[in-house]
Amino acid sequence: DAGITQSPRHKVTETGTPVTLRCHQTENHRYMYWYRQDPGHGLRLIHYSYGVKDTDKGEVSDGYSVSRSKTEDFLLTLESATSSQTSVYFCAIAEGPTYNEQFFGPGTRLTVL
Amino acid sequence: AQTVTQSQPEMSVQEAETVTLSCTYDTSESNYYLFWYKQPPSRQMILVIRQEAYKQQNATENRFSVNFQKAAKSFSLKISDSQLGDTAMYFCAFMSGETGNQFYFGTGTSLTVIP
Repeated sequence: DAGITQSPRHKVTETGTPVTLRCHQTENHRYMYWYRQDPGHGLRLIHYSYGVKDTDKGEVSDGYSVSRSKTEDFLLTLESATSSQTSVYFCAIAEGPTYNEQFFGPGTRLTVL
Repeated sequence: AQTVTQSQPEMSVQEAETVTLSCTYDTSESNYYLFWYKQPPSRQMILVIRQEAYKQQNATENRFSVNFQKAAKSFSLKISDSQLGDTAMYFCAFMSGETGNQFYFGTGTSLTVIP
């Protein structure tokens, strides 16, 4: 499972509140990713990181920010949650000589009421 | 941006039979990687098989094999001797080997194996 954990695994929150999801890995992987999964859309990339303090936007980054102050932790923050951000969020890492093998965490189900 | 298309939202197959899931993609690059991921009801994403675009030989992993047609930009997954445990969502994915390490996923095919 590439040593990836996500917390919390489930969260219910209200519109307008800040939310932070944590991805933790134990194997010193350089690349880390945050995706959201919605019916009919598959997985869509929110943000990714290619090293400590090195991050970049994905295709659905609006309303989300990320931080990576340590190799092992990649945080996803919803500054002011909206109902459209109700989704399942997956963290992933990439490994291999050209970082083309991606492995996923167990996912976090977030409900914004 | 790259696009990945899975045109079969749902499929079913009898146990022990063979099924093929379709995937097409759009890219102007010549160096890239293609993947099939499986997502069972547990929600865990599991890498099934990977293909490097520069390799002409189709990848195989036990009962799973691909038909990679680079000119047609097609990457189908064949599951032989289908088992009940193959029931899952299957996602096709693309990763550029030239413009960074972003992955692009299709919308998925829900496969049901019927006893």
